[in-house]
Amino acid sequence: QVQLVQSGAEVKKPGSSVKVSCKASGGTFSNYPINWVRQVPGQGLEWMGGIIPIYGTVNYAQKFQGRVTITTDDSTSTAYMELTSLRSEDTAVFYCAIPRGGTFDFWGQGTLVTVSS
Amino acid sequence: EIVLTQSPATLSVSPGERVTLSCRASQSVRNNLGWYHQKPGQAPRLLIHDASTRATGVPARFSGSGSGTDFTLTIDSLEPEDFAIYFCQQGSDWPGMTFGQGTRLDIK
Repeated sequence: QVQLVQSGAEVKKPGSSVKVSCKASGGTFSNYPINWVRQVPGQGLEWMGGIIPIYGTVNYAQKFQGRVTITTDDSTSTAYMELTSLRSEDTAVFYCAIPRGGTFDFWGQGTLVTVSS
Repeated sequence: EIVLTQSPATLSVSPGERVTLSCRASQSVRNNLGWYHQKPGQAPRLLIHDASTRATGVPARFSGSGSGTDFTLTIDSLEPEDFAIYFCQQGSDWPGMTFGQGTRLDIK
């Protein structure tokens, strides 16, 4: 069974960046297509992008293109999501998730990022 | 981008009742659709994938149906732990997965 454990909550200033980590266990990390999903408080879910470590391919949602970077560190089985140029509207919970087929079977516990001056 | 529209936005029901939630796609997603529920402070949990297949460990009272653009999630005999927000999600438009805006299931 795959487990995903994310880094802790962050408070950031507008204009700064945040880097959230997601450590995987329970399988072969390089085979996992790690994706990131954002949830603004009280709102729905938005797919941000995903990476397939074994191929090194990354895809981003158009909405976040240019502001988000997803990377992995195979040596520690950890994926990272960095979001730059933060604004108050980016205050949200960020989840890492692994799909099988087209749906997300495994989720991290979520990381709250608060953007406030 | 494929838009998923869920209805109703909110549903108030009593434990033991049967409910049907709807998800409509702006274009065909074939059967590449999943359903999740989410409780406060928790990550979403996958209930149904491929429109009608229950995920591992999901009780039999949950069932999904539909294909193309119209999908439903039915919950037979609601249990107290079923009161949550339900989301649909399409995986057809890779790499552009999208979610519906959610249906909130409240206790009447």
